[in-house]
Amino acid sequence: IAGITQAPTSQILAAGRRMTLRCTQDMRHNAMYWYRQDLGLGLRLIHYSNTAGTTGKGEVPDGYSVSRANTDDFPLTLASAVPSQTSVYFCASSESDRGPTEAFFGQGTRLTVV
Amino acid sequence: GQNIDQPTEMTATEGAIVQINCTYQTSGFNGLFWYQQHAGEAPTFLSYNVLDGLEEKGRFSSFLSRSKGYSYLLLKELQMKDSASYLCAVMDSNYQLIWGAGTKLIIKP
Repeated sequence: IAGITQAPTSQILAAGRRMTLRCTQDMRHNAMYWYRQDLGLGLRLIHYSNTAGTTGKGEVPDGYSVSRANTDDFPLTLASAVPSQTSVYFCASSESDRGPTEAFFGQGTRLTVV
Repeated sequence: GQNIDQPTEMTATEGAIVQINCTYQTSGFNGLFWYQQHAGEAPTFLSYNVLDGLEEKGRFSSFLSRSKGYSYLLLKELQMKDSASYLCAVMDSNYQLIWGAGTKLIIKP
């Protein structure tokens, strides 16, 4: 089934540890995004990529990094996790970064930093 | 600053009609989206409006007034499966999506 896949589904992580959240899509979408979703707040953009080989910072990029080596994969890395990074992380993709193209979301990664 | 406002929670009865409002103040406007998100699941696309007026899609309709910075999502013939959060998002002048916090809709029998 075509779509967007995230791994892991959930993770408990010790503070200070490094962690990479994986995201893969098979729809050949150009644009990909990482969001975090916290209770009472809207989805907040962490990083994005308009096309393979390019990335950009979103609203809350500090403490996170991304890479886009190819069209399909867009991993998110927490270099040294802190408790404030406890959240649900969603990866999304869209055909283009412009216009009325809907975003398709992965199932999310629930991360707890202790 | 950029801001999207929606009610935090609404309750409605099965079979009835409910209107979820969204007001926005953003740097530019390139369209407004509505997404549905069931608890513990990913958001899924419902509608997109870029011109003023009403867009109807089955039991769901979405309305936009750009001059008022206002949109609503209208759900008719409510079913229990419509219990979910409804997210309003505006695409700004940089083509970035600005998201509201979402409206949790509770459907009662």
